Amino acid sequence: SYELTQPPSVSVSPGQTARITCSGDALPKQYAYWYQQKPGQAPVLVIYKDSERPSGIPERFSGSSSGTTVTLTISGVQAEDEADYYCQSADSSGTSVVFGGGTKLTVL
Amino acid sequence: QVTLRESGPALVKPTQTLTLTCTFSGFSLSTSGMCVSWIRQPPGKALEWLALIDWDDDKYYSTSLKTRLTISKDTSKNQVVLTMTNMDPVDTATYYCARTLVVTAQQPVYFDYWGQGTLVTVSS
Repeated sequence: SYELTQPPSVSVSPGQTARITCSGDALPKQYAYWYQQKPGQAPVLVIYKDSERPSGIPERFSGSSSGTTVTLTISGVQAEDEADYYCQSADSSGTSVVFGGGTKLTVL
Repeated sequence: QVTLRESGPALVKPTQTLTLTCTFSGFSLSTSGMCVSWIRQPPGKALEWLALIDWDDDKYYSTSLKTRLTISKDTSKNQVVLTMTNMDPVDTATYYCARTLVVTAQQPVYFDYWGQGTLVTVSS
């Protein structure tokens, strides 16, 4: 079955830039999406179609794609950004939805 | 304002069938491109997509769970129901419903609004 691979954890100091990667063989042809999940809360969409930002999401959140890897970048990280982040896409057919294993962002 | 709310039993016994209801407002499941999905998350683990139903009543299921899942909708009540048969302790999880949008036929759907989730524990 198709898989998306994320690093388990990323740590940054406040004000620095955090980059969270997600790798998958179908990503050159399939859009990726990113969700932020804080403890005890439902996930929130922060990036859609690789690099689009929903209304209400701060500009410090951005997304990019290169080959089989997509990247969520958080510029000027704030303490409130500490959360789990999940990428999501689908297999080459587009019909089987897949989430990555999640990355815990720690703000030091 | 789009809202979704999950409801169902908090505790089920092994081998029983789980029935969850998602009641939503702020959009219509009759609108082209609109869908509702179920997604679950075991404690401390990652998200797992389970099933999707679209505006045209087409249904899609996780390959690994499709023999156990049934999704249906009642458009007049703004509700989507998921049933999962033969529950096991490994199915203990928070179950979310989410509004799901279609980009194109060959591109992944995505989830722009989520319910708060409901924790289902499977134990005898």
